[in-house]
Amino acid sequence: EAQVTQNPRYLITVTGKKLTVTCSQNMNHEYMSWYRQDPGLGLRQIYYSMNVEVTDKGDVPEGYKVSRKEKRNFPLILESPSPNQTSLYFCASSSYTSGGFLNTGELFFGEGSRLTVL
Amino acid sequence: AQSVAQPEDQVNVAEGNPLTVKCTYSVSGNPYLFWYVQYPNRGLQFLLKYITGDNLVKGSYGFEAEFNKSQTSFHLKKPSALVSDSALYFCAVRDIVTSGTYKYIFGTGTRLKVLA
Repeated sequence: EAQVTQNPRYLITVTGKKLTVTCSQNMNHEYMSWYRQDPGLGLRQIYYSMNVEVTDKGDVPEGYKVSRKEKRNFPLILESPSPNQTSLYFCASSSYTSGGFLNTGELFFGEGSRLTVL
Repeated sequence: AQSVAQPEDQVNVAEGNPLTVKCTYSVSGNPYLFWYVQYPNRGLQFLLKYITGDNLVKGSYGFEAEFNKSQTSFHLKKPSALVSDSALYFCAVRDIVTSGTYKYIFGTGTRLKVLA
């Protein structure tokens, strides 16, 4: 079954304790991205990756890191979490044809990771 | 800058009535537009997209959307609402960042409530 898998689904942590939210997709998608969802703000993009070893900042990258060492995985790292990073996080992936933007581009989303930082 | 606006936080409609969820966009170049739905405690699911061609796009679960270039709108519609359509709906646009990269911009979401 085609899917995007995020772990953990729920996490409560304390300020400053490094954590990683994993994301894995089994669809051989080139494009992967992370979003946070906050009430009244919709989804905001944190980081995205066009392919292996290619990552770029989204609209709210502060306090986050990512890496893309393998095509299927795109972990989100919070080096020193703070309470303002309490949010619902989504990983998503999509495919594009080689050569750029003929991609039809719909995103496939994971089920979300609810993070609380105390 | 590219942007997406969903002017209504919530839309209420009676079951069986037609529904419309509004979306307007601001992009340079040709827009790639999407609608997604989010049910409680779930990730977003793709409903439909407009890339090019017919202005009326049909998608999943009986939804359709009308692309209007002059009004820069992409409203989501359904002829007859079901209680099970109650969910959070997001409009999104694909934004070309550079010649080799792109990202997606989402609206703030509209909660649809279908009343029995």
